[in-house]
Amino acid sequence: AQSVSQHNHHVILSEAASLELGCNYSYGGTVNLFWYVQYPGQHLQLLLKYFSGDPLVKGIKGFEAEFIKSKFSFNLRKPSVQWSDTAEYFCAVNTGTASKLTFGTGTRLQVTL
Amino acid sequence: DTGVSQDPRHKITKRGQNVTFRCDPISEHNRLYWYRQTLGQGPEFLTYFQNEAQLEKSRLLSDRFSAERPKGSFSTLEIQRTEQGDSAMYLCASSFRDRGVETQYFGPGTRLLVL
Repeated sequence: AQSVSQHNHHVILSEAASLELGCNYSYGGTVNLFWYVQYPGQHLQLLLKYFSGDPLVKGIKGFEAEFIKSKFSFNLRKPSVQWSDTAEYFCAVNTGTASKLTFGTGTRLQVTL
Repeated sequence: DTGVSQDPRHKITKRGQNVTFRCDPISEHNRLYWYRQTLGQGPEFLTYFQNEAQLEKSRLLSDRFSAERPKGSFSTLEIQRTEQGDSAMYLCASSFRDRGVETQYFGPGTRLLVL
């Protein structure tokens, strides 16, 4: 069964700082990868996804993620965070044959002014 | 709003009572998923439907849990004889599988507290 690890549980950054959140998965076959965000008081929203093709994917609000197959990683990046990026970020994976998503434990990002 | 909706948003019940939650997916989405999320954890898969067929159930889904999607539209999740350990956020998601790829869209969740 696949699993997802998010190493950073709580990250505090100042506005304009660069962001990188780690995500590693364990599964040897074809995977689909997702980052979801949950803003305070809101439901899970899709930030970006990777199915195939260019391993560098761009999402909403200036976020991007790079799929590195050799490292089983799908790290999320943003060059300059804003206070409004304060939220919890979840990495998730499913496989070519299994539709269910397996989520990491999430990373809480706090952006200070 | 044409997103996934869930009802109720909050439910407080006493241990031993039965509860039922409803999920209305995005129109024309043929797949519907249920997840459970506890504090400090990511969502965990419970079960999913393709149209009205329940295709997979997690080991987390004990005999006290039952889910239905009778007409392939809305779905219900029932928990019988609730226990304190059932306290969690119950999330519903829907998707449409097209050429082997799909994206799941989540509803706001139902927060259950069992006293």
